[in-house]
Amino acid sequence: DARVTQTPRDKVTEMGQEVTMRCQPILGHNTVFWYRQTMMQGLELLAYFRNRAPLDDSGMPKDRFSAEMPDATLATLKIQPSEPRDSAVYFCASAPTGGSVYGYTFGSGTRLTVV
Amino acid sequence: AQSVTQLGSHVSVSEGALVLLRCNYSSSVPPYLFWYVQYPNQGLQLLLKYTTGATLVKGINGFEAEFKKSETSFHLTKPSAHMSDAAEYFCAVGPQGGNKLVFGAGTILRVKS
Repeated sequence: DARVTQTPRDKVTEMGQEVTMRCQPILGHNTVFWYRQTMMQGLELLAYFRNRAPLDDSGMPKDRFSAEMPDATLATLKIQPSEPRDSAVYFCASAPTGGSVYGYTFGSGTRLTVV
Repeated sequence: AQSVTQLGSHVSVSEGALVLLRCNYSSSVPPYLFWYVQYPNQGLQLLLKYTTGATLVKGINGFEAEFKKSETSFHLTKPSAHMSDAAEYFCAVGPQGGNKLVFGAGTILRVKS
């Protein structure tokens, strides 16, 4: 089965450190999403890309978060500097063109703990 | 604009009982509708989807859902709950021809033995 791969699986870091999360979308999927999941807020859309271009990053705190797609096989989400309130599970999902008819395929997530 | 409301953040059923998870949506355009399941420490998995055609759709693990346009609902059901069904379930809506899905807040299903 084709899958979305996220690394690392777990990350514990100290406040103020830079954190980079990586995502390998399914080959051929041209739309990539980043979500954050917390108990309080549920699933929040942070940003999404189509054909590597950012289409919407309105859900992302601009001062510390950045998302990029250096190439079609890699999406990254960076937090600099990290804060305890960033502790959450971060999911990447990918979809082919016209994704809303297919749904998304989610990765297993990166569990981030900022202490 | 689209939105999803899942009624009940927690639902508890006995093993073997009917599972009913409620989802109502709002959409100004014809919608695509989805149910996802999330097991502990895992990502979301697609359970089933409605795009066009038959309004009763069947998914994995014996789940099914019915699209009712007049009621703007897409409730998820399973005739007989199994312990392995314990998970969190998310309803989502997307526009036909579009990319972006809007997710509900999720419903945690507990199955009692």
